Amino acid sequence: DAKTTQPNSMESNEEEPVHLPCNHSTISGTDYIHWYRQLPSQGPEYVIHGLTSNVNNRMASLAIAEDRKSSTLILHRATLRDAAVYYCILLNAGKSTFGDGTTLTVKP
Amino acid sequence: EAGVAQSPRYKIIEKRQSVAFWCNPISGHATLYWYQQILGQGPKLLIQFQNNGVVDDSQLPKDRFSAERLKGVDSTLKIQPAKLEDSAVYLCASSSGGRLGELFFGEGSRLTVL
Repeated sequence: DAKTTQPNSMESNEEEPVHLPCNHSTISGTDYIHWYRQLPSQGPEYVIHGLTSNVNNRMASLAIAEDRKSSTLILHRATLRDAAVYYCILLNAGKSTFGDGTTLTVKP
Repeated sequence: EAGVAQSPRYKIIEKRQSVAFWCNPISGHATLYWYQQILGQGPKLLIQFQNNGVVDDSQLPKDRFSAERLKGVDSTLKIQPAKLEDSAVYLCASSSGGRLGELFFGEGSRLTVL
């Protein structure tokens, strides 16, 4: 399975935008880029996904590089409830591999 | 829509004992996954089912772990005998399948082996 690389941790101030990067240099043409987040003592929850074009939903935006070797999850205004571990994974025919994700700390 | 249900939420056992975890996926979801998540790490796939058939169990320690998905709905993950290093959260996820099917996770079952 193709792997992703993310920074171990990031910090943000409340109500400021957050850009969470992910590298996936070995991505194949049929891999979808998915983002999940995991709050303490909960299972991961879906945030957003995309294939080639940038995507927006009520939770976040996903910016995908033109060569698809990297992507960025954008939280437009971080809140304290956004403090979580964020995972970027590549999903293809139901197969995926989770890395250790990025722990986002949001400071009031 | 009901989410993925897992039980028990917490289990404490001594090493060499056995334990079983149960998962009820979202209705209609053909794909079911079991993950092991050790504290501070991301989820590691143990086994993936498509309906009641196994798609991938390459990382399942088959000498002590077993899983089944009877009738392609509920699933059970068993550990026998448990080791200290099996202490982890066991997550069940389901998906409607396909390349872009998002994963829906349960809250997990936290196992402590003493």
